[in-house]
Amino acid sequence: QLQESGPGLVKPSETLSLICTVSGDSISTTSYHWGWIRQPPGKGLEWIGNVYFTGSTDYNPSLKSRLNILVDTSKNQFSLELSSVTAADTAVYYCARRGKRFGYLDLWGRGTLVTVSS
Amino acid sequence: DIQMTQSPSSLSASVGDRVTITCRASQPISSYLHWYQKKPGTAPKLLIYGASSLQSGVPSRFSGSESGTDYTLTISSLQPEDFATYYCQQSYSNPLTFGGGTKVDIK
Repeated sequence: QLQESGPGLVKPSETLSLICTVSGDSISTTSYHWGWIRQPPGKGLEWIGNVYFTGSTDYNPSLKSRLNILVDTSKNQFSLELSSVTAADTAVYYCARRGKRFGYLDLWGRGTLVTVSS
Repeated sequence: DIQMTQSPSSLSASVGDRVTITCRASQPISSYLHWYQKKPGTAPKLLIYGASSLQSGVPSRFSGSESGTDYTLTISSLQPEDFATYYCQQSYSNPLTFGGGTKVDIK
């Protein structure tokens, strides 16, 4: 099971920070990456990036300059930091488990709405 | 980036209808194509992975196929719980990319 947590409101130019807590599975498994996907209101799904338990990351180039995804194996959590946010970053943010071999997203959190507004 | 062109963007169908949704990749993706169902307020649910493998627990009325760079999701007999938005996603290369979605609603 995956569960997102973090502020639901972030001011423009500040940093959006979310945590995903993994339960029922070890984040240190060699079989999966752990990632983030978002869906702006009324729009489609956008992959943000993912992290492996070693700390190795893959990022969407469109967000890379503002993005940091970290893993904390001691807490079985991974996190998202997106800096210099604007209204365009308003979205439902999902954390998800990505199969290392085939890349499908087979387990998702329920999602959390983050609104960027002053 | 690999572009995924999904069609149609929406369709209206009746319970019992056969429904087909297509995704075209901008380059070959070697079956690294997966299908998801999304309902409002809920997380996406994996239906099909590897173009044609049914995810555990998913009803057998869902199936996937491929022809070149074209991938198809078929619902053989639409059920009331199937009214949702469907997305394809490629994992052949980063960044992962999704199709624009197909909203299936009641005729």
